[in-house]
Amino acid sequence: DAKTTQPPSMDCAEGRAANLPCNHSTISGNEYVYWYRQIHSQGPQYIIHGLKNNETNEMASLIITEDRKSSTLILPHATLRDTAVYYCIVRQRDDKIIFGKGTRLHILP
Amino acid sequence: AAGVIQSPRHLIKEKRETATLKCYPIPRHDTVYWYQQGPGQDPQFLISFYEKMQSDKGSIPDRFSAQQFSDYHSELNMSSLELGDSALYFCASSPRPEKLFFGSGTQLSVL
Repeated sequence: DAKTTQPPSMDCAEGRAANLPCNHSTISGNEYVYWYRQIHSQGPQYIIHGLKNNETNEMASLIITEDRKSSTLILPHATLRDTAVYYCIVRQRDDKIIFGKGTRLHILP
Repeated sequence: AAGVIQSPRHLIKEKRETATLKCYPIPRHDTVYWYQQGPGQDPQFLISFYEKMQSDKGSIPDRFSAQQFSDYHSELNMSSLELGDSALYFCASSPRPEKLFFGSGTQLSVL
């Protein structure tokens, strides 16, 4: 069963912020929100994760709503190399990752 | 920094043959995961190992088996190969319970 819902595709102009939404209305208290991305045929790459607080690292920011039912991944200055499929995943920290459909992000020059 | 190493990168087999894929996790990572990604599909979880014991099982066919060895490397064995087994096979490792690090994958083509 899919625990997350993401738009199938999005476009973003190069240099602009890319905001990728994710709905996870059935998330439980001990589940984290993880984001991974897969650049064409490469192994998925970890981006960021969070429980309830907003998080930021060198790649992106993660904004989680107060009720934890949705989140947004923000790539602050998108480049052509950010073109990929982005997966929002809900998991307990010691559990496997189950990939859903993801969002195909196209960065436009 | 060391990454997850998978071998071979590409493998071509005939129907009904056997294939073995190998995965060498990042040092000190005690958990290994295997995923299968068919053309145009999302990665599907197959099986995982924690401290050399199977810890979880997904949609892995009975023709497939896997194990994790004492040095923590893992092998995925596939027998009686079918055309539908053609896919990218990813291995990932983690220092449980942290994030997963994925290898570059093995592209299996069954002819």
